[in-house]
This record gives sequence, C-alpha cells and structure tokens, in this order.
Amino acid sequence: TQLLEQSPQFLSIQEGENLTVYCNSSSVFSSLQWYRQEPGEGPVLLVTVVTGGEVKKLKRLTFQFGDARKDSSLHITAAQTGDTGLYLCAGKSNYGQNFVFGPGTRLSVLP
Amino acid sequence: ETGVTQTPRHLVMGMTNKKSLKCEQHLGHNAMYWYKQSAKKPLELMFVYNFKEQTENNSVPSRFSPECPNSSHLFLHLHTLQPEDSALYLCASSQVEAGGFAEAFFGQGTRLTVV
Repeated sequence: TQLLEQSPQFLSIQEGENLTVYCNSSSVFSSLQWYRQEPGEGPVLLVTVVTGGEVKKLKRLTFQFGDARKDSSLHITAAQTGDTGLYLCAGKSNYGQNFVFGPGTRLSVLP
Repeated sequence: ETGVTQTPRHLVMGMTNKKSLKCEQHLGHNAMYWYKQSAKKPLELMFVYNFKEQTENNSVPSRFSPECPNSSHLFLHLHTLQPEDSALYLCASSQVEAGGFAEAFFGQGTRLTVV
C-alpha cells in the first residue's frame, strides 16, 4: 500500500511570512499533484510535477519534486490571508490507476 | 468552474430515507471517482469507474450504491444511512492513459448530514 505523509499537520503564520510544507513517501510516483481545499469546497488542482528534480513556480508558490520522485515540497513566499486552506498532495504510481492522497497540511495565514 | 458539477451541494436526510447524489463531468474524461471526506480524516476513496466499469470498491458498506450510466455521469445512491456517514462527498474525474500521468479534477462536493 502506498502512503503519503504530509508535514506539518497544522501551520499558523502571519501574513508576509514564508513557509514550506512537505509531502513524503517510501514509494515512487509517476506524478504528484498539489491541491488546495477551502472549507466546504472540493480540492482545486494547483500543479502537477512529473520529472524527478522538477521545480515549478506559480506566482508566489514554488513546487519541487524530489530527485527520486518519492517526495515533494511546496514553498509559499510572502503568504497572504487568501492562501489559507488545506493543502493536499496526491500521487499516482506507474502501476495503479488511482490517486493516493496525503492527510493534508492545514494552513492559517493571519492578518 | 472546475468542469465537475455535483448536486445537491447540501443534503440532510433521515436514517430511513433514500436519496441520490449526482455528479457530472464536462471534461471528456474516462474515469470518475467517489471520495468521502470526514472531519479530521484524509480523503477516502470509495469507488472508481473506468470507461463506465467499476474497477474499485474500497470495502464500502452496501448502503452506498454507485451507478455510472455513461462516462459523464456518476451517481451515489444512499439508503438507511447512519449518523457517522455524515461527511463531505466528493466526486472527481480524470483522463487515464497508459504511460501518461493523470490529474484529478474535483467537484465542489455534497455536504451530507444524516439525522
């Protein structure tokens, strides 16, 4: 069974601060996605990474896929209150059809 | 607008009621999924359909019954639910291709409360 772990579980920071959240597994994934979910809504896809070592930037968000394709990080620069939400990573292996989701990091950005 | 629409957004039902959740995807995808999200628990995969065929049933109780009449529509029929079934039910779709990567696109979910 492939498992994804995310850390930290909860994070509360002030607006303007930087932060990094992590997604780790002992399994190799062919691709990995990051989602943000707001209360009462479905997860919204932020990015997909597919190549080991890949770095993608989405405005103030920087995503990195580990060289061995077992882990990923999300770095947010100068966090804003609108970044508040549950950040989920999900991976898909080369063999399985389904996505494995991590438990998420719940981020609160305070004004 | 994510291309995946779920109705209703909110549902309150008694334990003896029968209701159905509906999901429609406008993305031309070949796979659809039902997930359950309870408070403080990770997303739990319930059912998977590929090309309208159910390929996975993750030990879900029989009081949940999925139906996929075509590749664009997915239903979850509910009957004699328990209060612990109260949760956010999320539908997702993806395009599954051999050798390719896939991304899941989610609907906004149905917030179900069983009383």
